[in-house]
Amino acid sequence: AQKVTQAQTEISVVEKEDVTLDCVYETRDTTYYLFWYKQPPSGELVFLIRRNSFDEQNEISGRYSWNFQKSTSSFNFTITASQVVDSAVYFCALSEARGNNRLAFGKGNQVVVIP
Amino acid sequence: NAGVMQNPRHLVRRRGQEARLRCSPMKGHSHVYWYRQLPEEGLKFMVYLQKENIIDESGMPKERFSAEFPKEGPSILRIQQVVRGDSAAYFCASSPPGVLTGSTEAFFGQGTRLTVV
Repeated sequence: AQKVTQAQTEISVVEKEDVTLDCVYETRDTTYYLFWYKQPPSGELVFLIRRNSFDEQNEISGRYSWNFQKSTSSFNFTITASQVVDSAVYFCALSEARGNNRLAFGKGNQVVVIP
Repeated sequence: NAGVMQNPRHLVRRRGQEARLRCSPMKGHSHVYWYRQLPEEGLKFMVYLQKENIIDESGMPKERFSAEFPKEGPSILRIQQVVRGDSAAYFCASSPPGVLTGSTEAFFGQGTRLTVV
């Protein structure tokens, strides 16, 4: 069974600080996909990244970066130099290759950036 | 190229009424997924449909909930005899056909927020 754990529920940072969101997953599949989504206060879900289980390269996109470590089953997300617009709930999710594209979400991290 | 369209955005129903939530997938997408987000919770998978077929309904409550995706028209999530515990945000996602299972990001609609009073 697939499971995603995001231990930190709410994280407050002062603007321009970095913030790292932890995501730990469980799966029995050898082929799987990991995702991060952002849910701003307006409520929609914004896709940020997809990573497959065979690609452990870290990725950077602007102020966002992701660290994928299969050895610890983690897919952590860092926002560098946070801005007020980064205030949102961030969800980590997992999809197994045999899972019909079904996403298993963590409970989310509420990030509050204080100006 | 419109994204996934859900309507209504907000829906208020009294206990015992029926709620109908609609989802029009992105153009060219034939796979639709419904998720439910309860307050303070992450999203939980409910059902996966392709045109005229339910592929996976392992996340659907056994009673009162049903979903369809007809050949023509949007996908419908129907909740009969709603109760207060059904109050949640319901999200629809779509993905294109012919992709490797699990390999594509699902494109989400803006959600329907159901409030049962």
